[in-house]
Amino acid sequence: DTAVSQTPKYLVTQMGNDKSIKCEQNLGHDTMYWYKQDSKKFLKIMFSYNNKELIINETVPNRFSPKSPDKAHLNLHINSLELGDSAVYFCASSVRGQGLRGYTFGSGTRLTVV
Amino acid sequence: SQQGEEDPQALSIQEGENATMNCSYKTSINNLQWYRQNSGRGLVHLILIRSNEREKHSGRLRVTLDTSKKSSSLLITASRAADTASYFCATDNQGGSEKLVFGKGTKLTVNP
Repeated sequence: DTAVSQTPKYLVTQMGNDKSIKCEQNLGHDTMYWYKQDSKKFLKIMFSYNNKELIINETVPNRFSPKSPDKAHLNLHINSLELGDSAVYFCASSVRGQGLRGYTFGSGTRLTVV
Repeated sequence: SQQGEEDPQALSIQEGENATMNCSYKTSINNLQWYRQNSGRGLVHLILIRSNEREKHSGRLRVTLDTSKKSSSLLITASRAADTASYFCATDNQGGSEKLVFGKGTKLTVNP
């Protein structure tokens, strides 16, 4: 079974639309993250939640709003999509304070805004 | 902000050869990790080295860390075509919130 699963895998949408990406982990981890990977493969953290509490909020437009209904889920809602939002978005999870085991990543959601 | 810088950006070798990738970073760290990303896939954790360690092995992987130079290297021995992927270093920085800061990656191609 997939440890960190994201849906959808691909998302093509028009500018100005609102869309959501969902992420679920079944590893029992208490911390989840959203990373954005641009066209040059550069990965940048966006948000992190620990036990449903926001702990990292990088400089991200407020059109992006994460939501964590429980520690196994972290969703990302994006309002008024722009062309520059096109990227691959990765969800990841870990156990806080036990970063020695590394992060577990999902397979990514490729968002294309047209 | 970006922390790690991998070098080279791209590397092409023949099967059986060794591949060495380097990573430099800017701030003090708790640990440094290496990840692999196959085309169109997520990142897979390969190996972690703590700031008080100098070398670590895992199978065909060998990682070194030089905190005085703020640099690390990843050596893949006896490479295989299946090793073709992008490799990223990521640092867990001291004094900061728990997050990994990734470099730009090295794209490795192993030709059969």
